[in-house]
Amino acid sequence: QVQLQESGPGLVKPSETLSLTCAVSGYSISSGYYWGWIRQPPGKGLEWIGSIYHSGSTYYNPSLKSRVTISVDTSKNQFSLKLSSVTAADTAVYYCAGAVAGSKFDYWGQGTLVTVSS
Amino acid sequence: QSVLTQPPSVSGAPGQRVTISCTGSSSNIGAGYDVHWYQQLPGTAPKLLIYGNSNRPSGVPDRFSGSKSGTSASLAITGLQAEDEADYYCQSYDSSLSGSVVVFGGGTKLTVL
Repeated sequence: QVQLQESGPGLVKPSETLSLTCAVSGYSISSGYYWGWIRQPPGKGLEWIGSIYHSGSTYYNPSLKSRVTISVDTSKNQFSLKLSSVTAADTAVYYCAGAVAGSKFDYWGQGTLVTVSS
Repeated sequence: QSVLTQPPSVSGAPGQRVTISCTGSSSNIGAGYDVHWYQQLPGTAPKLLIYGNSNRPSGVPDRFSGSKSGTSASLAITGLQAEDEADYYCQSYDSSLSGSVVVFGGGTKLTVL
């Protein structure tokens, strides 16, 4: 059974960098089509942050591109998100997700709430 | 403002049929990209409900169906049940100057009366 689990600080100070990791179990991360990060501000809808393909190529939401880096560590079967210069507007539940065949997100982590506050 | 437009809310009584629309443009749905649908129950992560416009993953009841035409897609739920009360999101790709980017609809809250 494929499982994804986000981890990282739940509180980040304004102007600092948000860092999250998604551990994948039950599936080899190098075999998947792509892996992505999606966030959901409190009471709002889903916003795609970016994705990393099995080839290593990355694609980011144009509105966040200047602040986002997604990377993969195949040795640990995990991928990571870094979002720099955060503000209160970046407060959200952050989900990692995997698309193992095609463009749909087949599997999702449970999500982790990250609050940006001093 | 989402690239894909969904009604903020829909409602229906138990046993009824409801539909949720997802309207895009020639750079996303109309360009031939597949549409996927997710169900998000309160306090939980989204779950894949329909993929490739009209396919159901294993375990999803056949009360849920999807379709696509032109620049729009729809999710239909028949025989509405109380447990269907949730938020529903459509997802596709959009061809922009930055390449093919993932786009979500703004979400639709389904209320079972």
